Amino acid sequence: RKEVEQDPGPFNVPEGATVAFNCTYSNSASQSFFWYRQDCRKEPKLLMSVYSSGNEDGRFTAQLNRASQYISLLIRDSKLSDSATYLCVATGGSYIPTFGRGTSLIVHP
Amino acid sequence: NAGVTQTPKFRVLKTGQSMTLLCAQDMNHEYMYWYRQDPGMGLRLIHYSVGEGTTAKGEVPDGYNVSRLKKQNFLLGLESAAPSQTSVYFCASSYGYGNEQYFGPGTRLTVT
Repeated sequence: RKEVEQDPGPFNVPEGATVAFNCTYSNSASQSFFWYRQDCRKEPKLLMSVYSSGNEDGRFTAQLNRASQYISLLIRDSKLSDSATYLCVATGGSYIPTFGRGTSLIVHP
Repeated sequence: NAGVTQTPKFRVLKTGQSMTLLCAQDMNHEYMYWYRQDPGMGLRLIHYSVGEGTTAKGEVPDGYNVSRLKKQNFLLGLESAAPSQTSVYFCASSYGYGNEQYFGPGTRLTVT
């Protein structure tokens, strides 16, 4: 079982929709969490960090649930430009950040 | 700042050939990482380094070697390339443990 798991999707949503992704992690010692965005044939780029208290950046909201060991990403008012793969990352007791396999989002007109 | 750069961007090798991929960062980051990304497999860590002169094995280290002689550079070597090493290779760096990573643009390697 992979340490960090994501629904691969694709999530196919119309412009303006709200969409949410979850990511579960198995290592309870994980301390740092991030969401990255990866466009086709490009490198992953940091979207946002995930804090215990939850954090928001414009249309994006990230939350951490330590009790259930998952993190979430909510995208409001989806844009065509949000179409990408979203990767979650957890860093646990070792130095090694562990990536999920990514969730594909397609926003259509 | 250039951030994280990788050379080359593309390469085609024949089975058994060797090559070195170079990663350079100008952010004075301590940690550097090499990943490979294959369809449906996500990013898998090959080797990483927590400082100049140090290296450690990641999830899929077999067939690869690395060196970190200078803080800003992290080299990934393939001594005898195999078709199973056809992949996209990404280098990343971070300030320290648990910090966000910054990725290079990737190297697309094909081994025939």
